[in-house]
Amino acid sequence: EIVLTQSPDTLSLSPGERATLSCRASQGVAGSYLAWYQRKVGQAPRLLIYDASSRATGIPDRFSGSGSATDFTLTISRLEPEDFAVYYCQQYGSLPLTFGGGTKVEIK
Amino acid sequence: QVQLVQSGAEVRKPGASVKVSCKASGYTFSNYGINWVRQAPGQGPEWLGWISAYNGNANYAQKFQGRVTMTTDTSTTTAYMELKSLRSDDTAVYYCAKHLVAFAGTLVSDFWGQGTLVTVSS
Repeated sequence: EIVLTQSPDTLSLSPGERATLSCRASQGVAGSYLAWYQRKVGQAPRLLIYDASSRATGIPDRFSGSGSATDFTLTISRLEPEDFAVYYCQQYGSLPLTFGGGTKVEIK
Repeated sequence: QVQLVQSGAEVRKPGASVKVSCKASGYTFSNYGINWVRQAPGQGPEWLGWISAYNGNANYAQKFQGRVTMTTDTSTTTAYMELKSLRSDDTAVYYCAKHLVAFAGTLVSDFWGQGTLVTVSS
């Protein structure tokens, strides 16, 4: 199975700053079928990005995804207060679907 | 609007079974698949498998083969996930999640249920 490693574990930033989150796969992700989710305490995960770079419906354009094969990045151009949360990457190009361990974006 | 409403928290003893339901509304249930994902405390999410609501076929993660059964009832637009022979490390929040694309175009999920806490303890 494909192991996804996210880095860093925690990102301490201030509102208005740029956040760059990494997701590295143990082998190439077929079709660049890589998604990013946002997770807040007590809430269901929210799909942000799918197919590595496509924004899901209703997602602000400050969220962008890039990458292919084994290296993927989620960028939040200017952090808003509501963006402080945990972010997970997931690959769905091969079975079993797998998730990364998450990156927590916290207020500095 | 799309909603996935899951059944309430459950407590089970080791060796028992649990069945979680996921009531869907706001979309054509029979056109989409459903993923089941769990998240244990302090860990990343883990995929259990997915079921097609259009033909009832299920695909389970090898780790859960033989212990998990996923079903759907199109008359009530409800998906079910049953996990048997529970162990303490099955304690987790279990989620259902609708596929983004109809007819298994891809397996990524857009809408998720609120989660069901399953606690396994003697």
